[in-house]
Amino acid sequence: EPEVTQTPSHQVTQMGQEVILRCVPISNHLYFYWYRQILGQKVEFLVSFYNNEISEKSEIFDDQFSVERPDGSNFTLKIRSTKLEDSAMYFCASSEAYGSTGELFFGEGSRLTVL
Amino acid sequence: AQSVAQPEDQVNVAEGNPLTVKCTYSVSGNPYLFWYVQYPNRGLQFLLKYITGDNLVKGSYGFEAEFNKSQTSFHLKKPSALVSDSALYFCAVRGLSGGYNKLIFGAGTRLAVHP
Repeated sequence: EPEVTQTPSHQVTQMGQEVILRCVPISNHLYFYWYRQILGQKVEFLVSFYNNEISEKSEIFDDQFSVERPDGSNFTLKIRSTKLEDSAMYFCASSEAYGSTGELFFGEGSRLTVL
Repeated sequence: AQSVAQPEDQVNVAEGNPLTVKCTYSVSGNPYLFWYVQYPNRGLQFLLKYITGDNLVKGSYGFEAEFNKSQTSFHLKKPSALVSDSALYFCAVRGLSGGYNKLIFGAGTRLAVHP
């Protein structure tokens, strides 16, 4: 069964460092998303991406964050200068582009720990 | 604005008993409703969705959910709980107004099934 894959599974970084989280969405999906979850709490929307541009972003997704689809398969989330409060589990998701009825398929997540 | 409420932080059920995890929503227009499950240190797995049609929808692992428009609810149910059902359950909604492709998640309900 096709799945969303994420790397790394866990990254530890120093405050102020740049971090790139990588995702390979399901191959025939066209909508991509990043969500984050702090310590098993609420799953928060960060950004959605379609047709090589951001379609929507939340208040959390400030200038420190950026997304990119550098090639036909990868979808990345970059945090330019990490803060302690960026420590969370980051989930990538993808969905098919047939209107808004489709479910999102999530990866296993990348745990980011900022020291 | 669209939102989801899960009024219970935790639900405790004895194995073999029926379970209900509650969810209410607020959305402009017709709602698209989803349930996801998260096992410890894992990503979110899709369980079921309501788009249109029959108010009772069936999903994975014997779960079902009932859409009630008048009560704006979409409670998750299972006739006979298993210890392996113990996990974190998230209700999510997608509306048709602005940013219709993202899912908005509830805070989650931890289900504990005791032997």
